[in-house]
Amino acid sequence: QKEVEQDPGPLSVPEGAIVSLNCTYSNSAFQYFMWYRQYSRKGPELLMYTYSSGNKEDGRFTAQVDKSSKYISLFIRDSQPSDSATYLCAMRKNSGGYQKVTFGIGTKLQVIP
Amino acid sequence: DVKVTQSSRYLVKRTGEKVFLECVQDMDHENMFWYRQDPGLGLRLIYFSYDVKMKEKGDIPEGYSVSREKKERFSLILESASTNQTSMYLCASNGGPGGGELFFGEGSRLTVL
Repeated sequence: QKEVEQDPGPLSVPEGAIVSLNCTYSNSAFQYFMWYRQYSRKGPELLMYTYSSGNKEDGRFTAQVDKSSKYISLFIRDSQPSDSATYLCAMRKNSGGYQKVTFGIGTKLQVIP
Repeated sequence: DVKVTQSSRYLVKRTGEKVFLECVQDMDHENMFWYRQDPGLGLRLIYFSYDVKMKEKGDIPEGYSVSREKKERFSLILESASTNQTSMYLCASNGGPGGGELFFGEGSRLTVL
């Protein structure tokens, strides 16, 4: 079983829709949770960074962490064609020294005008 | 503006050739990483370095080596390229033992014929 599971999609939605992207994980030691966005032929860039359970909002984006269920989500409100990209969840532990980041395989999102 | 620069965006090499992929960061980061990204497999860590002349194996180091002679530069070496090393290679960096945000380069698409 992979440590981090993410549906690769593709996910296709109309412009203006609310998008929900999700990841599950198996290792309860993960403490930091991230979402990266990757446009075609580009490197990933950090979108959201959260620590512990709860919600974090940034503009149209909301990151949600539920540690009891080992489940994280990214919501995109009023989705735009410019949101079309691959979204990768990522997480790492917090036990001193350097900690490796573990990535999901990414969900490809297409927002149709 | 922070920057991770990968010297080659697209390379085509023949089986058995030696391949150098170079990465330079301008953020004075201690940590640098090489990942490969493949469809259905996501981002996989090849090697990382947390200091000059230091290196640590990631999840898939076989067939690769690295060099970090200067803090800002991290090179990935394929001693004898094989077709199964055809992939997108991504360099990243971050600062400090906790890591924090990973900054990625734009990637190097390598095709081995």
